[in-house]
Amino acid sequence: GNSVTQMEGPVTLSEEAFLTINCTYTATGYPSLFWYVQYPGEGLQLLLKATKADDKGSNKGFEATYRKETTSFHLEKGSVQVSDSAVYFCALTRGGADGLTFGKGTHLIIQP
Amino acid sequence: NAGVTQTPKFRILKIGQSMTLQCTQDMNHNYMYWYRQDPGMGLKLIYYSVGAGITDKGEVPNGYNVSRSTTEDFPLRLELAAPSQTSVYFCASSYSKDNEQFFGPGTRLTVL
Repeated sequence: GNSVTQMEGPVTLSEEAFLTINCTYTATGYPSLFWYVQYPGEGLQLLLKATKADDKGSNKGFEATYRKETTSFHLEKGSVQVSDSAVYFCALTRGGADGLTFGKGTHLIIQP
Repeated sequence: NAGVTQTPKFRILKIGQSMTLQCTQDMNHNYMYWYRQDPGMGLKLIYYSVGAGITDKGEVPNGYNVSRSTTEDFPLRLELAAPSQTSVYFCASSYSKDNEQFFGPGTRLTVL
């Protein structure tokens, strides 16, 4: 079945540092890929998505490129802010009606 | 649009009690989902529905039941609460199985 592997956290960075959160996946077919963000005490919000190979999703300064050859969808941001502190989830479509498969999440902490 | 709303936000149950977690969406989405989120474990799918009158089991359905009498509502029922059901529960909806999911704010349930 489909699965998602994310780098373990917490990831602690200083403000204005460069961010990479790794995400690799296993899937049959051609899944759509997503990054969700969860701020403390809130539900998940879609951050960005890509629906086919070589697509780049982007939002709020975050980017991720769908790499089919390496089965990866790494999340990047050039200069992080304290307000980016949250838990980030990589996810993909399962291929059926039962929705998305999520990674375990990466807790990001940005220090001023 | 309110999006996806969930009630209650918090609840403490005693072992063996029952309760219903409410979920409503106003986006006219056919697909709806219930997840539980345990610390450090990502999200696990409990049940899902592809339209009114149609429901199916996810990865962890034991101890739960659902119904879908309308497009808008997708309540989750716990009949005999157990400590293992202590978790944060999220409801989500989507336009189709391959589209992004919109999440509610969650219900934090503790069973003592």
